[in-house]
Amino acid sequence: SQQGEEDPQALSIQEGENATMNCSYKTSINNLQWYRQNSGRGLVHLILIRSNEREKHSGRLRVTLDTSKKSSSLLITASRAADTASYFCATTNSGNTPLVFGKGTRLSVIA
Amino acid sequence: GAGVSQTPSNKVTEKGKYVELRCDPISGHTALYWYRQSLGQGPEFLIYFQGTGAADDSGLPNDRFFAVRPEGSVSTLKIQRTERGDSAVYLCASSRTDSTGELFFGEGSRLTVL
Repeated sequence: SQQGEEDPQALSIQEGENATMNCSYKTSINNLQWYRQNSGRGLVHLILIRSNEREKHSGRLRVTLDTSKKSSSLLITASRAADTASYFCATTNSGNTPLVFGKGTRLSVIA
Repeated sequence: GAGVSQTPSNKVTEKGKYVELRCDPISGHTALYWYRQSLGQGPEFLIYFQGTGAADDSGLPNDRFFAVRPEGSVSTLKIQRTERGDSAVYLCASSRTDSTGELFFGEGSRLTVL
């Protein structure tokens, strides 16, 4: 079963614009993680936010977490063509349970 | 090696055959995960090892699927009597301790069952 649901399923923007992807989940969590996957490749970890955190930054990435709404957002600022990929959120409610992934958002950044 | 290594990268087999997929995690990582990913979908959890033991195998779809990690390092996913519906990319990931931290993924093994 998939816990996280990303929205939108697909997003197409121009280079230089910001891209926002949302993730909703159903049960309480220990942490929420965002991963990126280029076509035909494995997943690469982007950022982890713990349940007691509300916002984190890493370079051009900004992640927010609202546990009351069971939702998270990933913002990529000043997007580049190289940001074209699928982005997945994943959650776990403890270290003993595996990460459960959503279906992902396919981002296309047009140069 | 520096990252998670999976072999083979591609496997084509006939329905009914037996298949083994191998994962070599990052050295020192105690947790190892197997996921399956179909086209356009997110990774679907199969099994999770902590050391040599399977901590959670609730994602294995049926008894044709089995995985081992006998020495707490390399893991093998075994699929018996393959079916066309088993066609997917099988992803392996490892982490230093457990899912409270970052997972490091391999490039995957693409299985095609004809």
